[in-house]
Amino acid sequence: DTAVSQTPKYLVTQMGNDKSIKCEQNLGHDTMYWYKQDSKKFLKIMFSYNNKELIINETVPNRFSPKSPDKAHLNLHINSLELGDSAVYFCASSLRTPGTGDGYTFGSGTRLTVV
Amino acid sequence: EDKVVQSPLSLVVHEGDTVTLNCSYEVTNFRSLLWYKQEKKAPTFLFMLTSSGIEKKSGRLSSILDKKELFSILNITATQTGDSAVYLCAPSGTYKYIFGTGTRLKVLA
Repeated sequence: DTAVSQTPKYLVTQMGNDKSIKCEQNLGHDTMYWYKQDSKKFLKIMFSYNNKELIINETVPNRFSPKSPDKAHLNLHINSLELGDSAVYFCASSLRTPGTGDGYTFGSGTRLTVV
Repeated sequence: EDKVVQSPLSLVVHEGDTVTLNCSYEVTNFRSLLWYKQEKKAPTFLFMLTSSGIEKKSGRLSSILDKKELFSILNITATQTGDSAVYLCAPSGTYKYIFGTGTRLKVLA
C-alpha cells in the first residue's frame, strides 16, 4: 500500500510542451505539498494545500498551476515547459499544517527532463 | 528571511567512525525540526524534534535540539556503508518546513 503515490515517475518532454504530474495520498492527511529538488539536492517548497485550500504559494512562475480536487489529491500542471524546469518534483503530505508539529511523508518523486 | 545552514556539506568516513551533522536555523515562528535521510529516491523520516535538550534515539542514530542557540545535531555512531546518503534537516515555521541543502555522507568499507 503506497502512502503517497506520484505519477509518472519519469517524464521526458520537449520545451514548450504542457505536462501534468499527479499525486494521491491514502493516509487521511489534511495537507499536501509540492517540492522541487534541483541537481544539488536542494528541496524548495512550491505549493501547499490544506483541505483543498491553497495556503502556500511560493515565488513560482505562473506556468505552474496546482489543483486539488479533494484533500487526497494534489496535481501539478506545468505550461510551456522550459529547460530550467528539469528537476525532481516531490509530492508530500502531513496530517495537519507544520505548525502542529507533524512531519511529512514524501512520494517517490517525478524526474522531469525537458529537452 | 528564513535560513537553514547545514554543515559540513559533505563528509567521507570509514565504517565504524562516529559522525556529527549540524543544522543551524533562523525561522520565524519556529515550531519543530525534522531530520530526513535521502538515498536515491524520496527522503525518509528520521526524527522530529520539538523540545530543547531531549535526545531522540533510534538505534545508532540520535538527535537533539537547542532552541535557544537555534541548532540541532544528528549523531551516527558505528557508521555502516548503508548510512551513505544525504541528510536533510528542516525546521518549520507556521505553514511549512524549510529544508537545508543537506550533508552528503559517504561511508567507506
